[in-house]
Amino acid sequence: EAEVAQSPRYKITEKSQAVAFWCDPISGHATLYWYRQILGQGPELLVQFQDESVVDDSQLPKDRFSAERLKGVDSTLKIQPAELGDSAMYLCASSPQRGIPYEQYFGPGTRLTVT
Amino acid sequence: AQSVAQPEDQVNVAEGNPLTVKCTYSVSGNPYLFWYVQYPNRGLQFLLKYITGDNLVKGSYGFEAEFNKSQTSFHLKKPSALVSDSALYFCAVRETLSNDYKLSFGAGTTVTVRA
Repeated sequence: EAEVAQSPRYKITEKSQAVAFWCDPISGHATLYWYRQILGQGPELLVQFQDESVVDDSQLPKDRFSAERLKGVDSTLKIQPAELGDSAMYLCASSPQRGIPYEQYFGPGTRLTVT
Repeated sequence: AQSVAQPEDQVNVAEGNPLTVKCTYSVSGNPYLFWYVQYPNRGLQFLLKYITGDNLVKGSYGFEAEFNKSQTSFHLKKPSALVSDSALYFCAVRETLSNDYKLSFGAGTTVTVRA
């Protein structure tokens, strides 16, 4: 069964350092999402791509976060500089098409700890 | 604006007993509704969804959910719980007419099934 791949699974970094996460969606899925999940809370959308275009980044802290999906396939989420409050699970999800209410398929996540 | 409430942080049941996880939603129009399950240090797994039609939706692992428009609820149920059902459960909603197709998640309910 096809899965969403994410790496690394765990990342520990010091505050003010740069960190990057990678996501490879299920083959053929046009829509890709990055979520942040703080412990004890539900996931919150950071950015949504349709192919290579950003369609929603209203919740992305753009002063320190950036995301790209250059060829419309895999994607990278970057934080620079990292802050203590960025410690969370970062989840990537994909779905076949934006408009139709397909379920989203989630990767295993990257757990970030900022010290 | 769309939102989801999961009124119970924790649900504890004995194995073999019925399991219910509550969810209420708020949208301007009609909802698409989803249930996901998350095991420790893992991403979210899709369980079931309500799009339209029959109010009783059947999903993976013997779970089902009932859409109740008058009560704006979408409670998750399983007739006979297993110890392996112990996990974190999330309800999510999306407005059918939403232009951004964003899912809003509840805060989650931790289910513990004791042997």
